[in-house]
Amino acid sequence: DAGITQSPRHKVTETGTPVTLRCHQTENHRYMYWYRQDPGHGLRLIHYSYGVKDTDKGEVSDGYSVSRSKTEDFLLTLESATSSQTSVYFCAISESQLSNTGELFFGEGSRLTVL
Amino acid sequence: DQQVKQNSPSLSVQEGRISILNCDYTNSMFDYFLWYKKYPAEGPTFLISISSIKDKNEDGRFTVFLNKSAKHLSLHIVPSQPGDSAVYFCAALWEAVGNEKLTFGTGTRLTIIP
Repeated sequence: DAGITQSPRHKVTETGTPVTLRCHQTENHRYMYWYRQDPGHGLRLIHYSYGVKDTDKGEVSDGYSVSRSKTEDFLLTLESATSSQTSVYFCAISESQLSNTGELFFGEGSRLTVL
Repeated sequence: DQQVKQNSPSLSVQEGRISILNCDYTNSMFDYFLWYKKYPAEGPTFLISISSIKDKNEDGRFTVFLNKSAKHLSLHIVPSQPGDSAVYFCAALWEAVGNEKLTFGTGTRLTIIP
């Protein structure tokens, strides 16, 4: 199994509070991704990183920011959480660009509930 | 606009029979197609993929078929086993230079009945 740890695994918070989800990998993979999974939408890309301090937006990036100060850590921040951000968040990593195989290794997910 | 569609939210199959999961797509520029499997409280795991230049790829009990003219992808599992009960996501990769993008379908929950 790929060494990917997400924390926290579960969090309940209130609207308007900041939230940070952490993804930690021990595989030394260059690429890291944050997805959210919602019923009727599948998995949607929020942000991704292609190296330390190199990040870019995905298809649902509004309301989210990310940071990657070390190869092994990729943080997802909700500056002011809203109920629409209630979701299950998955971190994923890949050794090379998606164009090689499209294969990603996923973490176990972080369930966030915004009340 | 959903570019990758899985129109069946759920499917039940008898153990030992064939399971067929379907996926339709709208973008003819997709280069690779993948299937991921997801158990409850776990992250998705890669199952099998196929290049857009092929029409079939087989790996043990799992076979993926690609019909480019119909923009249709299917995953066949035979024989189906109880451990195959999971949610299956179809995904498509577009290799636009500098903008590789993996688009997922909404998933199909497969239940294998013992």
